[in-house]
This record gives sequence, C-alpha cells and structure tokens, in this order.
Amino acid sequence: DTGVSQDPRHKITKRGQNVTFRCDPISEHNRLYWYRQTLGQGPEFLTYFQNEAQLEKSRLLSDRFSAERPKGSFSTLEIQRTEQGDSAMYLCASSGLAGKETQYFGPGTRLLVL
Amino acid sequence: EDQVTQSPEALRLQEGESSSLNCSYTVSGLRGLFWYRQDPGKGPEFLFTLYSAGEEKEKERLKATLTKKESFLHITAPKPEDSATYLCAVQMGYTGNQFYFGTGTSLTVIP
Repeated sequence: DTGVSQDPRHKITKRGQNVTFRCDPISEHNRLYWYRQTLGQGPEFLTYFQNEAQLEKSRLLSDRFSAERPKGSFSTLEIQRTEQGDSAMYLCASSGLAGKETQYFGPGTRLLVL
Repeated sequence: EDQVTQSPEALRLQEGESSSLNCSYTVSGLRGLFWYRQDPGKGPEFLFTLYSAGEEKEKERLKATLTKKESFLHITAPKPEDSATYLCAVQMGYTGNQFYFGTGTSLTVIP
C-alpha cells in the first residue's frame, strides 16, 4: 500500500493525559499537513511541513499541540494535557512538489478524551 | 473574511436522479479548488482539482466545474454507492500553503 498511513486508528484517553499520533506520508511527497475534523465539519488546518521544516501553524493551534517531522519523512502530532474538546478525528495529508499540490489523506486517528 | 460555503448541507436523491452540489468561495488569491469524497469514519478521498475558471473535470458519474466565484459537482444518474459526504477545499495564499474546507454536502442515494 503506497498511500498515507496513520497510527493508531483509534485512541481513547483520559483528560490530562498526553497522546501522540504518527503519520507516514506517500514516500515521494515532501509536503505534509495535519488537520482536525469534528462531526459535521470539514477538516480544519492545523500545521504544515515542507520536508522537515514546519512552515505554517494555525492560530487555533494551542501550545498543548506540537508536531515534528524529523528527517522529512514521517510526522508525529502530540497533544499534551488532553481536554475533552480535543476529541476529534486527526487527519494527515501529503502532497508532492509545487505544481502538483493535490493532498492525499490518510484514514485518520479518532481521538476520544474521557 | 475568506470563506468556503457548500450547499445544500444534505441531499437525498432517488437512484438515477441527477443533481448538482455547490461550493462557493470568497477568498483572495485562489490557487486551486479541490473536491473530495468522504465516507463515514474515513479520510477524504481525492476526486478533482480545478485551477482556473472555465475548467471542467469528469470521472464516471461526476463532473466538476469552476467559475470565478463557485464550483459545482454534477452527479449524473447517481447510484447508492455514491452516497457519501462531498467536501470542497480551496487553496489560497501567496505561498499556496493554506487550504480551507467547506462543511460538506451529505448525499444519500436511495435505491
């Protein structure tokens, strides 16, 4: 399978705990995006990487959220001190070089904070 | 303020009953418009990319068109397996790194 993969697919945690999600993009894609989606809404942009550099972060992204993409390959999204409002589907997408910027999405990680 | 609006929010069609979904946008510096299909509990699946007014793309029963202010996704003779949420997204900004999604149209095709 050469698509975008995400792990885990589901995560249940208690309020106040830290969680980390992983995304493996399509291998030749140098751009990687994280989104959050709640029920009945479209995906909401969180952050963007080009290779290993984090070039953009949403103003909505609180200090409890951090993302990394070491070596420009896979990426991790960590949420510290989770809150019930963090419950959502976290989506990762990747795209290739400029000019072919269609984003291809992974299956998502569904987070439930109790 | 930049905005992406999709209508209707929900649409129920009889099998074979053609219709159109709308995505209107008020953004500056549009670089591209994307249509995705999303099934429950899954990530969005790419359908089309449109870059300039007048452009059209077609795939099976789906056809996407773009004007300066809106895009339409036309569904011809839909089948039950076309039932899904259809999302549009606009790519904008000087760097082209900003993508804004609409809230989607939930399509149900009744056999």
